[in-house]
Amino acid sequence: TQLLEQSPQFLSIQEGENLTVYCNSSSVFSSLQWYRQEPGEGPVLLVTVVTGGEVKKLKRLTFQFGDARKDSSLHITAAQPGDTGLYLCAGDGSGNTGKLIFGQGTTLQVKP
Amino acid sequence: DVKVTQSSRYLVKRTGEKVFLECVQDMDHENMFWYRQDPGLGLRLIYFSYDVKMKEKGDIPEGYSVSREKKERFSLILESASTNQTSMYLCASSLWAGNGYTFGSGTRLTVV
Repeated sequence: TQLLEQSPQFLSIQEGENLTVYCNSSSVFSSLQWYRQEPGEGPVLLVTVVTGGEVKKLKRLTFQFGDARKDSSLHITAAQPGDTGLYLCAGDGSGNTGKLIFGQGTTLQVKP
Repeated sequence: DVKVTQSSRYLVKRTGEKVFLECVQDMDHENMFWYRQDPGLGLRLIYFSYDVKMKEKGDIPEGYSVSREKKERFSLILESASTNQTSMYLCASSLWAGNGYTFGSGTRLTVV
């Protein structure tokens, strides 16, 4: 069974601080995605990384896919209250099942 | 703008009632999914469908059924609602897993 473990589960920081969220597995994924979910809404896709070692930037957010395609990280620079939400990583696993495997999520609170 | 629309944002139902949750997508996606989301448990897959009239059980199908008579519509049915089915229900669709999911805004169901 393929699993994705996210850490930390909860993060509460002050506006302007930097943070990193990790998504780890012992399995290889053909691609990995990050979603953000705001309270009372569905998750929204932020980025997909496909190639081992790939780095993608979305304004203050930097996403990295591990060289072995087993892990990923999300780094936020100078966090703002608008970044508050639940961050989910999801992997496209083996077997061409069409299903994503989701991590448990990281709840981020950015205080003004 | 592509969309996944869930028919209700909030529902309150009584124990034993048959409950229908509707989901419609306008992206001509083959794959559709139903998840429930509970604090501390993450996203759990209930059922998914790869095509019209096709369905596959997810991780927690007990107490639920689904219907997909048309490509754009995927319905989740709670045969006899129970209080432990109180949850946030999320519908999603995708062209293929590596392309990411588009989620609806969710239905918060309370069973009393």
